[in-house]
Amino acid sequence: GAVVSQHPSRVICKSGTSVKIECRSLDFQATTMFWYRQFPKKSLMLMATSNEGSKATYEQGVEKDKFLINHASLTLSTLTVTSAHPEDSSFYICSASGQGNSPLHFGNGTRLTVT
Amino acid sequence: DQQVKQNSPSLSVQEGRISILNCDYTNSMFDYFLWYKKYPAEGPTFLISISSIKDKNEDGRFTVFLNKSAKHLSLHIVPSQPGDSAVYFCAASTSGTYKYIFGTGTRLKVLA
Repeated sequence: GAVVSQHPSRVICKSGTSVKIECRSLDFQATTMFWYRQFPKKSLMLMATSNEGSKATYEQGVEKDKFLINHASLTLSTLTVTSAHPEDSSFYICSASGQGNSPLHFGNGTRLTVT
Repeated sequence: DQQVKQNSPSLSVQEGRISILNCDYTNSMFDYFLWYKKYPAEGPTFLISISSIKDKNEDGRFTVFLNKSAKHLSLHIVPSQPGDSAVYFCAASTSGTYKYIFGTGTRLKVLA
């Protein structure tokens, strides 16, 4: 079945540094990938839609200059958390879908801790 | 504004019995619904989906029911097994948007 790989699974960084998270679709081409953030005991909150070859579409309230998204190929999207702060600590999950109304396939998430 | 709601944050069920997880939505434009299962520190895993043209979809021990007039869907797991213990999210989308709105999840614990 379809597999989405996310890397790293866990990262600890210092305040002010930047962190890059990769999301790869392993056995299908994903023109669209999605980045979610999950707070403790909360739902998965959609942050942005990553479109291959064009700019990402950000949800209301998500700072595009802070959460940089690049979707350079049909199998790779990256999320860079710039100038990280402790409040950016969270569980970030990417997902990708095939065509039409097909289920999203999720990566295993990245636990980001900013100290 | 929470468009997809799971009002029960947790549910405990005895092994072998039926688990019923509920989900309500407010946006009448939603026409595709999914259930995901999530273990701690992992990404969600797709379980089962249903299109608005149906009112029931069954896959093994999992059945999803959709009541469009009530804007309500439910996931039935029978018989429940200890390995089913996880957080279950329902999600909804509108055709062609590729955007899925998730509920807040229900933590299911199946007791052996």
